[in-house]
Amino acid sequence: SQQGEEDPQALSIQEGENATMNCSYKTSINNLQWYRQNSGRGLVHLILIRSNEREKHSGRLRVTLDTSKKSSSLLITASRAADTASYFCATETEYGNKLVFGAGTILRVKS
Amino acid sequence: ETGVTQTPRHLVMGMTNKKSLKCEQHLGHNAMYWYKQSAKKPLELMFVYNFKEQTENNSVPSRFSPECPNSSHLFLHLHTLQPEDSALYLCASSKNRDYGYTFGSGTRLTVV
Repeated sequence: SQQGEEDPQALSIQEGENATMNCSYKTSINNLQWYRQNSGRGLVHLILIRSNEREKHSGRLRVTLDTSKKSSSLLITASRAADTASYFCATETEYGNKLVFGAGTILRVKS
Repeated sequence: ETGVTQTPRHLVMGMTNKKSLKCEQHLGHNAMYWYKQSAKKPLELMFVYNFKEQTENNSVPSRFSPECPNSSHLFLHLHTLQPEDSALYLCASSKNRDYGYTFGSGTRLTVV
């Protein structure tokens, strides 16, 4: 069953602008993760934020987590054309060893 | 390369064929997973293996048969598939709970 749902479904921005993607989920989680996928390829793990964390940074990425609203956001600052890809959030629940993915946001960065 | 290798990269098979997908990792991870990615649908978890033991079968049809002979190898045996089974099949591995997954590049399967 789908746990995370991303918003927007698609986002088109100019190089240098910031990109924000949101994710909502339904059940209690152990952690939430963001992944990136270039067209037709495997997914690449970007960042993991645990349920007791509120914010995390990695390079140009900033992730926030609000467990009271069951939502997360991924911010990519100073975007580049190479950031063009699909971005997925995925949740690991408190029980079990599996990730459930959302439908993803397609990001296009125009140069 | 991510450390998770999937073969073949592309596969075209008829509905009466039998084929197998292979996944291999030498990252020392304890868990391995099969996911299916169809167009315009979220990734669907198919199977989970922890320490070679299957711990999750997400209501997958019996025409998909997984095999995990050891912690480094995972197979997906395919037989009498349907055209709607055409998709990108992704293998992933992880060290444990609370760690990110490492994905392979996937096998693009087309059933004709």
